[in-house]
Amino acid sequence: EPEVTQTPSHQVTQMGQEVILRCVPISNHLYFYWYRQILGQKVEFLVSFYNNEISEKSEIFDDQFSVERPDGSNFTLKIRSTKLEDSAMYFCASSERSGSYQPQHFGDGTRLSIL
Amino acid sequence: AQTVTQSQPEMSVQEAETVTLSCTYDTSESDYYLFWYKQPPSRQMILVIRQEAYKQQNATENRFSVNFQKAAKSFSLKISDSQLGDAAMYFCAYRGNAGNMLTFGGGTRLMVKP
Repeated sequence: EPEVTQTPSHQVTQMGQEVILRCVPISNHLYFYWYRQILGQKVEFLVSFYNNEISEKSEIFDDQFSVERPDGSNFTLKIRSTKLEDSAMYFCASSERSGSYQPQHFGDGTRLSIL
Repeated sequence: AQTVTQSQPEMSVQEAETVTLSCTYDTSESDYYLFWYKQPPSRQMILVIRQEAYKQQNATENRFSVNFQKAAKSFSLKISDSQLGDAAMYFCAYRGNAGNMLTFGGGTRLMVKP
């Protein structure tokens, strides 16, 4: 069964550095998402992306964050200048179509640790 | 804003027994969708079951079924004939009729005892 894959599984970065988290969505999916889960807290929506533009974003997704689909297969989340509070598990997801009944398929996540 | 609450941080069940995980939500929308996701220790969240709010009939997927009480804003998951492989974190999630954002509950860790 096709899966969403994320790399790396664990990323350690110094505070203030830029970090890029990578995701390969399921190949025929058109909608892409990032979520994060700070340790001990709920999974939170960050952003959704369709047709090469952001379709929805949360308050968390400020100017420090950006997303890109650079080559038609990868979907990336960039954090420009990382802060300690960015430490979290970041999940990528994709869905075939829009519509609230469409399931989102999640990757294994990338654990981001900011030192 | 919508909120989703899972009041049971941990639950345990004996193998082959039945367990019910609770979920409540708060919304002003009349049309929405509810999901249960399972996250085994390998970390990938997998969709277990989903329910459309306009459907009165409770969704069922093999050993998994829901009890959807729209007036009470309750969406519990029942796992019948529990198996060791059911041990995981279970997340309840809400999605409104507009947009694709999922709002998650805090999760319930289910342990299955042999």
